[in-house]
Amino acid sequence: QSVLTQPPSVSGAPGQRVTISCTGSSSNIGAGYDVHWYQQLPGTAPKLLIYANSNRPSGVSDRFSGSKSGTSASLAITGLQAEDEADYYCQSYDSSLSGVVFGGGTKVTVL
Amino acid sequence: QVQLVQSGAEVKKPGASVKVSCKASGYTFTSYYLYWVRQAPGQGLEWMGIINPSGGTTSFAQKFQGRVTMTRDTSTSTVYMELSSLRSEDTAVYYCARATADSGGWYLEYWGQGTLVTVSS
Repeated sequence: QSVLTQPPSVSGAPGQRVTISCTGSSSNIGAGYDVHWYQQLPGTAPKLLIYANSNRPSGVSDRFSGSKSGTSASLAITGLQAEDEADYYCQSYDSSLSGVVFGGGTKVTVL
Repeated sequence: QVQLVQSGAEVKKPGASVKVSCKASGYTFTSYYLYWVRQAPGQGLEWMGIINPSGGTTSFAQKFQGRVTMTRDTSTSTVYMELSSLRSEDTAVYYCARATADSGGWYLEYWGQGTLVTVSS
């Protein structure tokens, strides 16, 4: 059972917008720690997608955006494309565990 | 460019130990902490621990306390993760990742390619 809660799956048609939620608690997201997002394509290592809640590393498409409010965060993908089919993980820091924590991952399917 | 290159796949028997290496290049090795994260088949990501390559200090997730060791060799810019008393549940892909600290915690900016460790009798 992951410390951060994500929906197991989301899906959308090409061109649509999908969002993935990430819910934490008062010892992680609610304590003010940033949320980061990773994309993991099948058979590959995770790749940093969003850092510090809403920032994109160089080279990441602006179709990906992140936000945070209270004890939750969300990742939005606009203009959904077939290449976006992957697993997405949120990550934060937890003060009670003294370490980073991950969500359980969300599989995005393009219909 | 930043690269983290890990050692190859391992097959171990229950009760044995495994040592995975992660060689860093493209940046100043001692300037960034390195994390170890594992992923069991079909499962999510799990933090194992962190090492400061500068001083060698480590911090581990409680789950792995007493069973994991992390070391570094600054002459070769390599970190090592050794996991002992292996059991079938330790079958996973093990990743090293370079961590960047910001005001709100840590994020993992660069990842190794992963090392599959299979524990089987």
